[in-house]
Amino acid sequence: QSVLTQPPSVSGAPGQRVTISCTGSSSNIGAGYDVHWYQQLPGTAPKLLIYGNSNRPSGVPDRFSGSKSGTSASLAITGLQAEDEADYYCQSYDSSLSVQFGGGTKLTVL
Amino acid sequence: QLQLQESGPGLVKPSETLSLTCTVSGGSISSSSYYWGWIRQPPGKGLEWIGSIYYSGSTYYNPSLKSRVTISVDTSKNQFSLKLSSVTAADTAVYYCARQEKWELPIDYWGQGTLVTVSS
Repeated sequence: QSVLTQPPSVSGAPGQRVTISCTGSSSNIGAGYDVHWYQQLPGTAPKLLIYGNSNRPSGVPDRFSGSKSGTSASLAITGLQAEDEADYYCQSYDSSLSVQFGGGTKLTVL
Repeated sequence: QLQLQESGPGLVKPSETLSLTCTVSGGSISSSSYYWGWIRQPPGKGLEWIGSIYYSGSTYYNPSLKSRVTISVDTSKNQFSLKLSSVTAADTAVYYCARQEKWELPIDYWGQGTLVTVSS
């Protein structure tokens, strides 16, 4: 069981907006650690999507955005496209010097 | 461009030790501040951090695996390695090697991953 909780699945129609939540605790996200988000397409390694809660690496479309508040974080995807269908993972750190991943969310584009 | 490549046996017998190596190219593994780590993903499941090693040799392990894990660095070969002892079928997974520039920064480079199956 992952320390960071994500919904197992979300879905949306092309063009719509979806959000994926990542809920932690006072020992990880709530302790002030940044949250990072990764996109994993089938059969490939995860790819960094959002870092430092809300920053996009070069090449990531601005349709992807992130936010953090308290012990939770969220990833929002606007203007949903078929190519966004993938698994999404949040990641943070723990005060015990551990790397924490969320359980992952499967995004289905209807 | 930094590249990471995992290598090792794809099949390990139960109770034996899983050994993988990650070869780093396009950069030095001994550059200051970098953390080199291992992450695994059982088939159809999520990501699990196994552990990380700082360029100086300090190690950080997932508490749930700590008793079975050893991560080491060979700077002469620009490689780092994972050993996981007493494996069971539950250790069957794709194993990724990865890099973080600093501890709280994201994992910015990943290997392509290698599937290790534990079976007799």
